[in-house]
Amino acid sequence: AQSVTQLDSQVPVFEEAPVELRCNYSSSVSVYLFWYVQYPNQGLQLLLKYLSGSTLVKGINGFEAEFNKSQTSFHLRKPSVHISDTAEYFCAVSDGVSNYQLIWGAGTKLIIKP
Amino acid sequence: DAGVTQSPTHLIKTRGQQVTLRCSPKSGHDTVSWYQQALGQGPQFIFQYYEEEERQRGNFPDRFSGHQFPNYSSELNVNALLLGDSALYLCASSLRQGGNQPQHFGDGTRLSIL
Repeated sequence: AQSVTQLDSQVPVFEEAPVELRCNYSSSVSVYLFWYVQYPNQGLQLLLKYLSGSTLVKGINGFEAEFNKSQTSFHLRKPSVHISDTAEYFCAVSDGVSNYQLIWGAGTKLIIKP
Repeated sequence: DAGVTQSPTHLIKTRGQQVTLRCSPKSGHDTVSWYQQALGQGPQFIFQYYEEEERQRGNFPDRFSGHQFPNYSSELNVNALLLGDSALYLCASSLRQGGNQPQHFGDGTRLSIL
């Protein structure tokens, strides 16, 4: 069965510094990969998705992620974070078109230090 | 353009009771998925509805049931509530089924069991 590992439960970074949030998934023939953000007391908002094609995916709010099939990773990056990026970030994977459920990581809290 | 709306926002119940949560999908979407998010964890897939039928189900007992109406809105019913059912319940909608379809989330219903 598919599983998703987010290696860091919390990542503290200074404002305007770069950040990388790590996500690894268990191997599968084909996967669809997503990053979502959850602000306090809110639902989840899609940041970006990888379905096929270019392995570098750009999303909203200046975030990007790189799909690495050999390392089964989909790490999220931002070159310069802002205090408004404080939130919890979730990586999610789907096994394919006919498997409807998303498998989620446990989340990474991004803490921006002023 | 109305997004996904869920009601109520908060609910307090006691063990053994039954609860119904409601969801209206984003305009133009026809597929609704339900997730349970316990505190400090990622969402867990409960089930997905498309064309008024349950299409896929996660690892949840039969106490969890649902319904989709002709207007695509959906209900989640939970019977015989347990303390462990306390969680944020998230509804997500998408256009068509498929693991490659990005899902749009509501802000959730916070269910507390006393």
